[in-house]
Amino acid sequence: ELKVEQNPLFLSMQEGKNYTIYCNYSTTSDRLYWYRQDPGKSLESLFVLLSNGAVKQEGRLMASLDTKARLSTLHITAAVHDLSATYFCAVDIISLKSTFGDGTTLTVKP
Amino acid sequence: DAGVIQSPRHEVTEMGQEVTLRCKPISGHNSLFWYRQTMMRGLELLIYFNNNVPIDDSGMPEDRFSAKMPNASFSTLKIQPSEPRDSAVYFCASSGWSSYNSPLHFGNGTRLTVT
Repeated sequence: ELKVEQNPLFLSMQEGKNYTIYCNYSTTSDRLYWYRQDPGKSLESLFVLLSNGAVKQEGRLMASLDTKARLSTLHITAAVHDLSATYFCAVDIISLKSTFGDGTTLTVKP
Repeated sequence: DAGVIQSPRHEVTEMGQEVTLRCKPISGHNSLFWYRQTMMRGLELLIYFNNNVPIDDSGMPEDRFSAKMPNASFSTLKIQPSEPRDSAVYFCASSGWSSYNSPLHFGNGTRLTVT
């Protein structure tokens, strides 16, 4: 059974600081997704990572994938309040279905 | 593109009643997923369809839950009879024809409260 673990689960950081969220998974896969969820809202796709070494960047967020280590990272650069949300990674193996991590709730304080 | 449309947005019902949740996927998407989100269990995949055919329903908690996709533009998730522990946010999501490379597009969810 595929297990997806994120850490930390809760992250409080100050504006302007950098931090990294980690996503580990238990079974070989080369398809990993990052999603964002604002409180009381739906999930929206941020990044799709499809191969070892893949790196995607959007604004202050950068995601990477190391399939050999079964690890993805979501790096936050110079955090701003608007980035406060819950971030999920999700992994596919073989079939179409995604297994989600528990999410990392990020709070950015002024 | 209207996105994935779910109805109702909120549903409050009494234990024992039947509940039907509805979903219209994005036009052209051929995979549809039903997820449930709770604080205790996080996001759980209940069932997914590909080309209107149920592929994996191993996440459906009990026989009280059933899902159908009669055509490419409509799906339902039914709970009968409902119980308080079914209270959760239920999300429908769809993905495109190249589903192996496509992220999920989520609807706004249905918040179900069973009293």
